[in-house]
Amino acid sequence: QSVLTQPPSVSAAPGQRVTISCSGSSFNIGNHYVSWYQQVPETAPKLLILKDDKRPSGIPDRFSGSKSGTSATLAITGLQTGDEGTYYCETWDSSLVAAVFGGGTHVTVL
Amino acid sequence: QVQLQESGPGLVKPSETLSFTCSVSYFSVQDNNYWWGWIRQPPGKGLEWIGSIYHSGSTWYNPSLKSRLTLSLDSPKNQLSLNLKYVTAADTALYFCVRQIAASTWAFDSWGQGALVSVSS
Repeated sequence: QSVLTQPPSVSAAPGQRVTISCSGSSFNIGNHYVSWYQQVPETAPKLLILKDDKRPSGIPDRFSGSKSGTSATLAITGLQTGDEGTYYCETWDSSLVAAVFGGGTHVTVL
Repeated sequence: QVQLQESGPGLVKPSETLSFTCSVSYFSVQDNNYWWGWIRQPPGKGLEWIGSIYHSGSTWYNPSLKSRLTLSLDSPKNQLSLNLKYVTAADTALYFCVRQIAASTWAFDSWGQGALVSVSS
């Protein structure tokens, strides 16, 4: 059971927008940067968002991150079939003294 | 572009020590802007941070693994290593070597392809 709570799955049609929530506490999201990762089947995770809302070079602006209080959100616009996979939020937890990941959200493109 | 490549045993017996090496190419493990670390993923499950190490020797270990874990860096070989003692079936996982952006971001921006280890007698 992770300290970061994500919905198990979300789905939408191609071209639509999806959002993935990540809920935590003041020990983690509330006081530390959040990162987001995409893992498509049989591959290593890829960093999509760091420092709450910054995209590494090469990540399209269809992916955006935001944070408010103890919750963070990843939004994907213009959904594509290639976006299918599992998305994880991650941050530091000062109570556990560990980096922690959410349980993951599987995105299905209908 | 940095490349990370894990190498490990594939199969380890319970109570023995699991050892992994990660070879880093096209980037120095001594770069001041990055830490290096390990993340694992049990079959069909989510991601678990194992620990991180800086070229100075500073380390952060997951408290749940700390008593069994040792991370090290070999700067001349540009490699990092993981040793996990007294393994059990719960340590069966895909182990990823990662580069971590420093400056308190705790963001892992480069990943190896992963190496699977099974703990079984």
